[in-house]
Amino acid sequence: DAKTTQPPSMDCAEGRAANLPCNHSTISGNEYVYWYRQIHSQGPQYIIHGLKNNETNEMASLIITEDRKSSTLILPHATLRDTAVYYCIVRVPVSYGQNFVFGPGTRLSVLP
Amino acid sequence: DADVTQTPRNRITKTGKRIMLECSQTKGHDRMYWYRQDPGLGLRLIYYSFDVKDINKGEISDGYSVSRQAQAKFSLSLESAIPNQTALYFCATSDGIGELFFGEGSRLTVL
Repeated sequence: DAKTTQPPSMDCAEGRAANLPCNHSTISGNEYVYWYRQIHSQGPQYIIHGLKNNETNEMASLIITEDRKSSTLILPHATLRDTAVYYCIVRVPVSYGQNFVFGPGTRLSVLP
Repeated sequence: DADVTQTPRNRITKTGKRIMLECSQTKGHDRMYWYRQDPGLGLRLIYYSFDVKDINKGEISDGYSVSRQAQAKFSLSLESAIPNQTALYFCATSDGIGELFFGEGSRLTVL
């Protein structure tokens, strides 16, 4: 699996957009970018994933650079409930060799 | 009811005891996983199974064993628990295409 690099922590004001970066410079052509988050000590929760096009769902938007070496998860209007650790993972879907490898992630604190 | 259920949610035991953590799922997924999380760290994969007859070691399988009793059930065992196995354990399932679905976690303390 390609390795990812994320800042250890970030702060964001409530109501503002939270932009969480992820570097994955060794990503291969068939690997997707996945984002999960973990609130306190609950089980991680899937947020979004994408290959090369930008993606949006009800939770967030995912912006992937044209060279695919980095991406940004955007929470458009952060709330206090978005305070969590956010994990960026790259892997091939439907893979029997790769698994989801969770690094330490980014601890996002949404401040009132 | 939760899609992925772990039991027990909390367990305190002593060094040398045998412990089993159980996981059951109603997602109908073939793939099941056991992860371990230590404070301030990400999740590390212990074992995974892609179907009932398939068991694979993850990155930290030493000291653990698993059993895939049925498609819906995947158990993690610590044959002789030691204090550095104190951690939060998560079971997860996947259909192999997209996301992982996690249970709520089992907090294990080994004294």
